[in-house]
Amino acid sequence: QLQLQEWGPGLVKPSEPLSLTCSVSGGSVSSSSYYWGWIRQPPGKGLEWIATIYYNGDTYYTPSLKSRVTISVDTSSNLFALHLSSVTAADTAVYYCASGWYRGWVDYWGQGTLLTVSS
Amino acid sequence: EIVLTQSPGTLALSPGERATLSCRASQSVSSTYLAWYQQKPGQAPRILIHGASSKASGIPDRFSGSGSGTDFTLTISRLEPEDFAVYFCQLYGTSYTFGQGTKLEIK
Repeated sequence: QLQLQEWGPGLVKPSEPLSLTCSVSGGSVSSSSYYWGWIRQPPGKGLEWIATIYYNGDTYYTPSLKSRVTISVDTSSNLFALHLSSVTAADTAVYYCASGWYRGWVDYWGQGTLLTVSS
Repeated sequence: EIVLTQSPGTLALSPGERATLSCRASQSVSSTYLAWYQQKPGQAPRILIHGASSKASGIPDRFSGSGSGTDFTLTISRLEPEDFAVYFCQLYGTSYTFGQGTKLEIK
C-alpha cells in the first residue's frame, strides 16, 4: 500500500518559482508498476491534472502548463518533485501528489498541500 | 486535447433517490480509460469506478458506471447520506484530464 506525503512552501510571491516534493513510502519510485503525478485544485473549484512521470523517464504535461512545469524523480530519496516557474495568483491551489498502476487511474493520493501565491 | 464536460453542475436529490451523473467527452475515448471519483470537503478524491464500469475495491454496489464513445454515466441507485459529495470523471492512460465536477447535494 503506497503512502504519499507532499510538502511545499505554503506561500510564494508572484513571479517566483515553486518546488513541491512528494515522499513515497510502501513502494519505490523506480518501480515499473507505478506512475507518479501531480494534480491541483484551486479553492472551491475542480481538479486539474498537472504532470505525470513514468519509471522509464517518460513524462506527460497538461498542455496549458507545459511551458512552466517540470516533474522529476529522485530515486536516492524515494521521492518525486514538481517545479513550476514564475507563479501567479492563478496558481493558488491545493496541490496533490498522486500515483497509480502504470497508465492507470489514481489509486493513491497525498493529503494535499495548500499553496498561496501572494505578495 | 480532449475535454470532459459533466452535467448537471449541481444535482439536488433526497436520500433514497436515484442519481444519474453524466460525463461527455469532446471526442470518442476508450472506455478502458474513463474513471469516476468522489470527493468530500477537505479530503482528497477517492476512486469509485475505473474502465467506465468496473467498481474499485470496497465501493458499494449502489454505485455503477456505464457508457462508451463520448457519453458516460455514473449512477447511484439509492442515495445514502454519505453519498452527498462532488463527483469527477477522468480520462487517463496516455493523456489525463478531469471533468469540472458535479455537486450532489441534499434536497
